[in-house]
Amino acid sequence: ILNVEQSPQSLHVQEGDSTNFTCSFPSSNFYALHWYRWETAKSPEALFVMTLNGDEKKKGRISATLNTKEGYSYLYIKGSQPEDSATYLCALIKAAGNKLTFGGGTRVLVKP
Amino acid sequence: GAVVSQHPSRVICKSGTSVKIECRSLDFQATTMFWYRQFPKQSLMLMATSNEGSKATYEQGVEKDKFLINHASLTLSTLTVTSAHPEDSSFYICSARRSGGITDTQYFGPGTRLTVL
Repeated sequence: ILNVEQSPQSLHVQEGDSTNFTCSFPSSNFYALHWYRWETAKSPEALFVMTLNGDEKKKGRISATLNTKEGYSYLYIKGSQPEDSATYLCALIKAAGNKLTFGGGTRVLVKP
Repeated sequence: GAVVSQHPSRVICKSGTSVKIECRSLDFQATTMFWYRQFPKQSLMLMATSNEGSKATYEQGVEKDKFLINHASLTLSTLTVTSAHPEDSSFYICSARRSGGITDTQYFGPGTRLTVL
């Protein structure tokens, strides 16, 4: 069983504050890591695909980093806004694999 | 671009009946489609991978005779839950990928909530 862990499971953030959370995964046979944002009653939205150790990706106020040697990725939200409220999912692809193995998600609630 | 629709969004059925869920890529051709299931408070779990025109590949523990997958065209895949029972009640969600690159983004539908009475 491939364990992809996300922490914390949920967090409350005050509007305007910045926050970050973690996706941990087995470092062996790493191929790629996907991040998604999933708002209630909508389709999960692709944020990033990360493949290289040390990768940093940015989309607006959201950014992510990747450390494949130690097996973790951080996702950062700068200056959180209520529209950032969602569940953020990471998903791992192992080498020679085809499928995404998802973590349990971090549910973010931004309070005005 | 890259919109995936799923129908129906909710379905309630009686035990023993079959339910078909459709997944469509609206503005791109999907060489591969995936079906996931999510139980309450759990992560998305891959059920099967389907490539257009070929048989689906099922994950360990997923009964292929119970969860029939058809990927008849590059824009449509269907999941049929046959002889549904209450334990099949779950959230089912599909995704579609344009090309064969495994790092390529999977685009998700909005999901289907199945309740079996």
